[in-house]
Amino acid sequence: DARVTQTPRDKVTEMGQEVTMRCQPILGHNTVFWYRQTMMQGLELLAYFRNRAPLDDSGMPKDRFSAEMPDATLATLKIQPSEPRDSAVYFCASGLGDRGRYGYTFGSGTRLTVV
Amino acid sequence: TQLLEQSPQFLSIQEGENLTVYCNSSSVFSSLQWYRQEPGEGPVLLVTVVTGGEVKKLKRLTFQFGDARKDSSLHITAAQPGDTGLYLCAGAGARTDSWGKLQFGAGTQVVVTP
Repeated sequence: DARVTQTPRDKVTEMGQEVTMRCQPILGHNTVFWYRQTMMQGLELLAYFRNRAPLDDSGMPKDRFSAEMPDATLATLKIQPSEPRDSAVYFCASGLGDRGRYGYTFGSGTRLTVV
Repeated sequence: TQLLEQSPQFLSIQEGENLTVYCNSSSVFSSLQWYRQEPGEGPVLLVTVVTGGEVKKLKRLTFQFGDARKDSSLHITAAQPGDTGLYLCAGAGARTDSWGKLQFGAGTQVVVTP
């Protein structure tokens, strides 16, 4: 089965450090989402792309977060500088962006701990 | 405030019982998706409903999309311990400025005990 690959699986970092999370979407998928999941807030949409163009990143703290798709096989989410409140599981999902009728495939997530 | 309200937040039942999870919103969606998530993993797609009034069945799971495409329900018949998990509904935007934007409800934690 095709899968969305996220790296790293786990990341522990000190406050103030830069963190980069990577996602390899399924080949042929043109829509990519980044979500953050916490117990308190559930799954929050941070940003999403279609055909590598950013469509909406209103859920992202702009001063410290950035999301890019340098090519169709790679999406990145960067946090600089990281803060303890950024501790969460970050998920990437990909799919075909036809009204979402085909659903989306999620990666296994990156568990980020900022100490 | 969540765009999608799920209820109940938590459900604990015995094996063999039936359960229903609800997902409600004041917004219209182009599609409504249901996912199940297990600890340490990403959500896994169960079904997508697209047409108002649509009903889909997957073995013991029945999904319904409201006529106005604003709400949905998931019904499980004769629940089994393997049905335990976090059930999430997600709506894809129908407006031009939110086309395909997928937002999630808070989830319903289902526990089925033998």
